[in-house]
This record gives sequence, structure tokens and C-alpha cells, in this order.
Amino acid sequence: GAGVSQSPSNKVTEKGKDVELRCDPISGHTALYWYRQSLGQGLEFLIYFQGNSAPDKSGLPSDRFSAERTGGSVSTLTIQRTQQEDSAVYLCASSTGLSSNSPLHFGNGTRLTVT
Amino acid sequence: GENVEQHPSTLSVQEGDSAVIKCTYSDSASNYFPWYKQELGKGPQLIIDIRSNVGEKKDQRIAVTLNKTAKHFSLHITETQPEDSAVYFCAASMTGTASKLTFGTGTRLQVTL
Repeated sequence: GAGVSQSPSNKVTEKGKDVELRCDPISGHTALYWYRQSLGQGLEFLIYFQGNSAPDKSGLPSDRFSAERTGGSVSTLTIQRTQQEDSAVYLCASSTGLSSNSPLHFGNGTRLTVT
Repeated sequence: GENVEQHPSTLSVQEGDSAVIKCTYSDSASNYFPWYKQELGKGPQLIIDIRSNVGEKKDQRIAVTLNKTAKHFSLHITETQPEDSAVYFCAASMTGTASKLTFGTGTRLQVTL
């Protein structure tokens, strides 16, 4: 079946511009997660949603970052006034819920380059 | 917060040999330890996980061991094949689920013919 879909796959933007990244989770998955992967680094937790609610926003690096999820499905991650240090691969994942037997299913990511 | 260290950063083995990747974690409250495999241009994929009430888990050529006292866990791949070449990430969570994982920095495994 269809996996987690992220768009765009690549995004090049100028410093100072706003960008919006989209994630379509697997149908029926109630939990959705955003991670950031910088070059040669591990994955950095940003935020997760259970349904449309985001119980934990502690991973968002600054107030320039925000995320929303509507209808319990699609999520968007918005970065305002982008900086060069925002350049990274942004990964979205979904799972059937927050139970102990719900593994994460990752999308292929959006590679963001801020020039 | 939790800190996960992973070694080595790169590993090269000959086809058929075994590969071992090690991770340590800092918070004794962590209780869920998954391993992910990431191929070029793709998102990470869960390959095996272990919980704190288990010391070892095996799935075909892949096994994971956990030492809670020492706060470290390891991934073992036996009879390596070229398709095992990828970046492997360990992770730890205190929630018992994948809801908030702290990842290691990854190990690039190269299996040579």
C-alpha cells in the first residue's frame, strides 16, 4: 500500500523566505512525527501529533518553526524567515498510534537548501 | 534529556562476515530501543527493536542485545550481504513507544565483495 508521502522532495529557497513542507501519512495512522536530519547527523525530533493535537512541541528549534495537522491526516511544517542553518532533510513519519507496538513509518523526506 | 552515542561512525566488512554496531544511552529511564536502516535517498526503516524487559532479540540474520546495567545496546548482523550496505541508526525512548525517540548519529556500513 501507499507509504508516507512528503512534498516537495527538494526545495531550494533564499534566506529570509518562508517555506512550507507537506506530509501525507499512511491512511488510518493517527500519530504523525516530524524529524530533522542534518548532514552526517542523526535525526532530531521536532514535534509529534496525536490526531490534530501536538502534545509535545519541545523539539521545535525556534519560534520560526511551526506545524499543524488538520483532519487528522495531512500535516504541514512551516519555517518562516529561513536561515542557512535550516538546511537539512526534514523527515515525516506516521504510526497507528502511541501504543508500544506502533513502529514509525518514515517518508523519504524533503531536502531543504537555504541559499 | 536523553543522549545516545553510537560507534563506529563507519564500518567496512567483507561479505559473509559479521558486523556489530554499539550504542550507549544516558538516561536509565529509557525503555525502548529501535534500530533503523536508511538507504540513500530514503527515509529510515525499522529493522528491529527491543524493550527493557528483554536482554536479546533475534530476527534471522539480525540480533540486538541490551545491557541495562551498563546502559548500552548493540546491533549484530551476521552473514552480511551487499544489500546490508546502508546507514544504521540506533535510538532510545523513555515512553516505551516511538513517540519521542532520541537517535544516535548513525553508522555507515559498507559490505564489500
